[in-house]
Amino acid sequence: NAGVTQTPKFRVLKTGQSMTLLCAQDMNHEYMYWYRQDPGMGLRLIHYSVGEGTTAKGEVPDGYNVSRLKKQNFLLGLESAAPSQTSVYFCASTEMRGITDTQYFGPGTRLTVL
Amino acid sequence: AQTVTQSQPEMSVQEAETVTLSCTYDTSESDYYLFWYKQPPSRQMILVIRQEAYKQQNATENRFSVNFQKAAKSFSLKISDSQLGDAAMYFCAYRSGLSRRRTGTASKLTFGTGTRLQVTL
Repeated sequence: NAGVTQTPKFRVLKTGQSMTLLCAQDMNHEYMYWYRQDPGMGLRLIHYSVGEGTTAKGEVPDGYNVSRLKKQNFLLGLESAAPSQTSVYFCASTEMRGITDTQYFGPGTRLTVL
Repeated sequence: AQTVTQSQPEMSVQEAETVTLSCTYDTSESDYYLFWYKQPPSRQMILVIRQEAYKQQNATENRFSVNFQKAAKSFSLKISDSQLGDAAMYFCAYRSGLSRRRTGTASKLTFGTGTRLQVTL
């Protein structure tokens, strides 16, 4: 199993450009998450999904959109990138079985918006 | 809303020595889980240890153990016999126990700001 993978690993955008980050998991997990990590702020939840076809907002959703068309994929979109979106983005997934579910993280995507 | 506080931005320990990283949290819930994640320079988030709030016994994983003080809302991580490979950012995280109702928000993690651990020879 590859676990949780993210594409791309690095990206540089100009202000106003758009892009999509792809998260894929091969563990058949129901729940998937997108976090952003900024210096001195830990990880903050952007959006999450509790299953195929569902999405919901997290703590910092503004400027992002997501889609979960397939169970194994969770896409994060930036329609018009801003310098404030320069960050490292992490995807995670978890299987809601039992009470001790663990979130598995992808390797992260470093995004720079100039 | 729950908050997680890590008051030590940086810590240093000599190889083979013991170090304790602090974490406090604030919640009105009685059912929750606490985690320590390690993030090495590779950026990969690695689960180190997990504690269920309903368990009185402190969790232990090899050289890693926690001191869970539920009344004080404190959850510190002790690393014994520190190794060079332990150098990383360490994040404390909280998750609500409401996941039994299979709600996505209950499964989300709330992170602290992290502690950077340096291991010296």
